[in-house]
Amino acid sequence: DAKTTQPPSMDCAEGRAANLPCNHSTISGNEYVYWYRQIHSQGPQYIIHGLKNNETNEMASLIITEDRKSSTLILPHATLRDTAVYYCIVHNNAGNMLTFGGGTRLMVKP
Amino acid sequence: NAGVTQTPKFRILKIGQSMTLQCAQDMNHNYMYWYRQDPGMGLKLIYYSVGAGITDKGEVPNGYNVSRSTTEDFPLRLELAAPSQTSVYFCASSTPGFGTDTQYFGPGTRLTVL
Repeated sequence: DAKTTQPPSMDCAEGRAANLPCNHSTISGNEYVYWYRQIHSQGPQYIIHGLKNNETNEMASLIITEDRKSSTLILPHATLRDTAVYYCIVHNNAGNMLTFGGGTRLMVKP
Repeated sequence: NAGVTQTPKFRILKIGQSMTLQCAQDMNHNYMYWYRQDPGMGLKLIYYSVGAGITDKGEVPNGYNVSRSTTEDFPLRLELAAPSQTSVYFCASSTPGFGTDTQYFGPGTRLTVL
């Protein structure tokens, strides 16, 4: 799976949108972009994934650039409970392991 | 559905002791995985299984063994525990399919080896 690059930390005010960037310039044509998050000491939680079109679900939106070399996870109205480490992972959906990098530690502040 | 469950939640072992970490899933997933997470680090794959009776090594298999006799259960065995195995262990499951391979994780087992 391709490698990803994320900022180590970000802050966001409660109620505002949190925009978490990810670079994946070596992504292959059959690889998807997945986002997981890990709230302190808990197991990683799936958020959203996409191939090339923008995706939205009840948790977040995923914006993937046209060249697929980068993406942005958007939490539209961040709450204190969204404080977590967010991992951007490129994955080929073949049942292989997920490669977790350093992630972005998002701190939502009142 | 309970999803992925793991027992125990916490355990302290002495060097040289053995134990089995239990993992079960009720989502009828074919694939199951064991990861470990050291403090401040990402997860690393220990072993995985693509179905009952089939297991394979991941990135860091040394010191561990697994078995998969049923679809639901995937226990991880530690033989001769060492301080380097102090970590949080996560079990996950998935069923890869067209356009998706979402892995669902359990709550983890926090293991300390002294």
